[in-house]
Amino acid sequence: GQSLEQPSEVTAVEGAIVQINCTYQTSGFYGLSWYQQHDGGAPTFLSYNALDGLEETGRFSSFLSRSDSYGYLLLQELQMKDSASYFCAVWGDYKLSFGAGTTVTVRA
Amino acid sequence: GAGVSQSPSNKVTEKGKDVELRCDPISGHTALYWYRQSLGQGLEFLIYFQGNSAPDKSGLPSDRFSAERTGGSVSTLTIQRTQQEDSAVYLCASSLRGGGDTQYFGPGTRLTVL
Repeated sequence: GQSLEQPSEVTAVEGAIVQINCTYQTSGFYGLSWYQQHDGGAPTFLSYNALDGLEETGRFSSFLSRSDSYGYLLLQELQMKDSASYFCAVWGDYKLSFGAGTTVTVRA
Repeated sequence: GAGVSQSPSNKVTEKGKDVELRCDPISGHTALYWYRQSLGQGLEFLIYFQGNSAPDKSGLPSDRFSAERTGGSVSTLTIQRTQQEDSAVYLCASSLRGGGDTQYFGPGTRLTVL
């Protein structure tokens, strides 16, 4: 089976840096994905890591350590529009399993 | 259109009826995904198609659920004998090749079973 853990909530101020950790247990691991979802909206795919290391895309970066079954999403220079839910998900055995999501609240 | 489209956008049905949800992926995308999201909950993966084939259907919640994809394009998710616990937003996404490719989501179909 597959299980993922991520924090339920994170609050930070504009301009700050937030790191959302995700630990997982899975069989047949292929990669770790991150998604963003604003209230009432459809999810947006943010990133995918199949290999160890850091992938940077603008203000967002994602990291994976396969040996530690651990990854994180790093949000830099936080903006109010970054207030949303963030889900990590792992691919394994033709299935994608999601964490419960982290609600990020950005305050002025 | 340029994006993933889903129809209907909203569906209200009575318990026990069958419903069919449709997804039109982005043209040329070989991979298609179905997800479900209940109110206030996270995303639940249902099934994944590469071309017209679904490698694994065990993510479907019960045998009342089935999905197919034809011509490497349109996909339908069918729920037979709907139950109240089937009420959720059903989301479809597509990606160019699959695996870790960027997935583009449709707006979803909100299903309400009375």
